[in-house]
Amino acid sequence: NAGVTQTPKFQVLKTGQSMTLQCAQDMNHNSMYWYRQDPGMGLRLIYYSASEGTTDKGEVPNGYNVSRLNKREFSLRLESAAPSQTSVYFCASSERYEQFFGPGTRLTVL
Amino acid sequence: AQRVTQPEKLLSVFKGAPVELKCNYSYSGSPELFWYVQYSRQRLQLLLRHISRESIKGFTADLNKGETSFHLKKPFAQEEDSAMYYCALRPGDNFNKFYFGSGTKLNVKP
Repeated sequence: NAGVTQTPKFQVLKTGQSMTLQCAQDMNHNSMYWYRQDPGMGLRLIYYSASEGTTDKGEVPNGYNVSRLNKREFSLRLESAAPSQTSVYFCASSERYEQFFGPGTRLTVL
Repeated sequence: AQRVTQPEKLLSVFKGAPVELKCNYSYSGSPELFWYVQYSRQRLQLLLRHISRESIKGFTADLNKGETSFHLKKPFAQEEDSAMYYCALRPGDNFNKFYFGSGTKLNVKP
């Protein structure tokens, strides 16, 4: 099992460009999450999806949209990227209490 | 509001010395507390949760509701313990939300 996979691994955008970060899990988990990790701030929850067809805002949802395409996939979209969105983005899935994390996407917005 | 505070960004100890990574939280209800660890070039992974009261890799953590703390301890640090450690809280009224601290980098010197 691959666990949680994320694409791309690295991305550089210009201010105003859009992009979608992809996440997939093969563990049949109901819950999926998107976090951003910034130096000195730990992980902050952007959006989560408790089950297929539902999404909810986390701590820092502004500037992002998400889609829970099916049980396996949960994508994060930046419609108009800003330098403040430069970060490392982690996707995670969980069943019960343990979260399983992807390898992360390092995004730079110039 | 839920908050998790890890006051130390970096903790350096010598091999064989005791180690304590501090975690304080603010939450008005009954939370679940976790420690996650990220070793170099590996994914973030669960180390332990307070409910299980287990010792994992020699680490233990006790939830102190009076002091709202969940410090991680190990009596004799090993070089392979060097990693980034994150304390995390899951609110009792929303099992799909996790709040992470800013992390403590543990460096165990030979």
